[in-house]
Amino acid sequence: KAGVTQTPRYLIKTRGQQVTLSCSPISGHRSVSWYQQTPGQGLQFLFEYFSETQRNKGNFPGRFSGRQFSNSRSEMNVSTLELGDSALYLCASSVGQSTYSGNTIYFGEGSWLTVV
Amino acid sequence: KQEVTQIPAALSVPEGENLVLNCSFTDSAIYNLQWFRQDPGKGLTSLLLIQSSQREQTSGRLNASLDKSSGRSTLYIAASQPGDSATYLCAVRWGAQKLVFGQGTRLTINP
Repeated sequence: KAGVTQTPRYLIKTRGQQVTLSCSPISGHRSVSWYQQTPGQGLQFLFEYFSETQRNKGNFPGRFSGRQFSNSRSEMNVSTLELGDSALYLCASSVGQSTYSGNTIYFGEGSWLTVV
Repeated sequence: KQEVTQIPAALSVPEGENLVLNCSFTDSAIYNLQWFRQDPGKGLTSLLLIQSSQREQTSGRLNASLDKSSGRSTLYIAASQPGDSATYLCAVRWGAQKLVFGQGTRLTINP
């Protein structure tokens, strides 16, 4: 079956602009999480959605937001982009909510964002 | 603070060797621990998931162990191959909290 699909794969934005990234989870998966990966900070958790509700949130400013739709697809938005937002943004899905210990999470290929 | 550490940051070994990657975590009250592989420019591929009640998991040439009391996990790779070259990441989940990743070990298998 199809894996986690993220679009777009690559994009370049200018400081001050906003960007929306999309994630389609594996069919049947209801939990979607977002992560930011940079060489300096590694992988950092942004937020998790389950059944259209945000369940967990990482330590990122309010410029980072997300939502989940009834079909479990998720989007994340970053407003007023800064140079430091340049990163690989990874989406992951799992069958149930993160608190369920049996969950394996599956990652997409990521969206490479460059802010100039 | 709940943290995950992976040492060394990079490891280079000749093909055919057995090797061990290390992961340590600061709080033993974990939900589960997962090992991932990441190829350059790619997303993460799940290798093994160990639940808090388990001591080890095996998949092919890979074996992951978990010792909660000492806050350690190891990933054992048998008979390494050049295709095993990648960055290996350890991630720990505590309770309802986010998944916390180590910085990874960049593994190079030399033919």
